[in-house]
Amino acid sequence: EDKVVQSPLSLVVHEGDTVTLNCSYEVTNFRSLLWYKQEKKAPTFLFMLTSSGIEKKSGRLSSILDKKELFSILNITATQTGDSAIYLCAALTGGYQKVTFGTGTKLQVIP
Amino acid sequence: DSGVTQTPKHLITATGQRVTLRCSPRSGDLSVYWYQQSLDQGLQFLIQYYNGEERAKGNILERFSAQQFPDLHSELNLSSLELGDSALYFCASSVGGSYTDTQYFGPGTRLTVL
Repeated sequence: EDKVVQSPLSLVVHEGDTVTLNCSYEVTNFRSLLWYKQEKKAPTFLFMLTSSGIEKKSGRLSSILDKKELFSILNITATQTGDSAIYLCAALTGGYQKVTFGTGTKLQVIP
Repeated sequence: DSGVTQTPKHLITATGQRVTLRCSPRSGDLSVYWYQQSLDQGLQFLIQYYNGEERAKGNILERFSAQQFPDLHSELNLSSLELGDSALYFCASSVGGSYTDTQYFGPGTRLTVL
């Protein structure tokens, strides 16, 4: 059974701190790793990672994939209160075109 | 075969036109999600329906609308089409309404706007 595990489940940081969110996966027929930010109900796409070792960056957010060790990290530097959300990672697998989500990491950034 | 079906497979139309994409979820699944994927972009979440009601809304344009019918199939309507709407449109379904439920994807509808 495909499995995606995120850690930590929840964290609280002060504005300006840097956080690292972890995502490990055990899936068959892996294609890509996706990161989403979920505020309220709808998720927003952040990154899609397909190749190992290539960092993707968007402003203060960056992410990298390690296909050998089967994990990905999402870094957020200089956190702001607007970064407070649930961060979801998901493994996209070929064949049945299935996406398996992790349970998410709830990030709270306090002033 | 994921059990999710989408029709048509490929659609070519002109700018300004309107199209309807259709999705039938897996048997027993109550949630339907619509995504748009263009080039090498990840899945851009558009909208989710759960048991006939809109559950969550993502980056769906006002020109786009969707609905889920009593038999749980869903339709995505795209109107006043623009060149930039050309993309692969995926439908996915899951048993429950939580976004962390495993989603099973259909084969997609490739829309080309000329």
